[in-house]
Amino acid sequence: DAGVIQSPRHEVTEMGQEVTLRCKPISGHDYLFWYRQTMMRGLELLIYFNNNVPIDDSGMPEDRFSAKMPNASFSTLKIQPSEPRDSAVYFCASQLQGGYTFGSGTRLTVV
Amino acid sequence: RKEVEQDPGPFNVPEGATVAFNCTYSNSASQSFFWYRQDCRKEPKLLMSVYSSGNEDGRFTAQLNRASQYISLLIRDSKLSDSATYLCVVNRDDKIIFGKGTRLHILP
Repeated sequence: DAGVIQSPRHEVTEMGQEVTLRCKPISGHDYLFWYRQTMMRGLELLIYFNNNVPIDDSGMPEDRFSAKMPNASFSTLKIQPSEPRDSAVYFCASQLQGGYTFGSGTRLTVV
Repeated sequence: RKEVEQDPGPFNVPEGATVAFNCTYSNSASQSFFWYRQDCRKEPKLLMSVYSSGNEDGRFTAQLNRASQYISLLIRDSKLSDSATYLCVVNRDDKIIFGKGTRLHILP
């Protein structure tokens, strides 16, 4: 199993641009989570899906953030427009039962 | 009060020593508990689950105290490769909450 696959690994973009982060969960895992990690705030849960349905998006910081899961093997997190304070590492994780498996993360820098 | 709290450290510990971390959680409805390890610039990885009866995996021992609402991680005979950040994780209603982690440096 290739694990949870995220792309891109690194993204540098200018303020105001749209950013799309991608995630492929482990096949058969029915939960998918998007987290953001910064030094100041640690790992913050943004949104999670169960069987492709968004369950809790209360962690999404504001309307500039949106997430979709059109099928069991793909999810996107979009930021439009991006701002410098969005700079962080964004992790996707999937779960069947027990603990999570994380992807390698996308390091986003907004300049 | 944060739902999951950890001492951020860093803990600077000589190689071969024993080190222990605690983590407190505020919601008594929390259902399951884990320790994750995160290396610098890497993703968190599951280290071990924490069971009510306590559990051991080699040099690592995890314990849960529901009455006082904390979990602990004990590392015996610490190795240089144990240097990492250790994240306490609490599962409540299908939502997993991470602590901010405790940094551990093992000194040669």
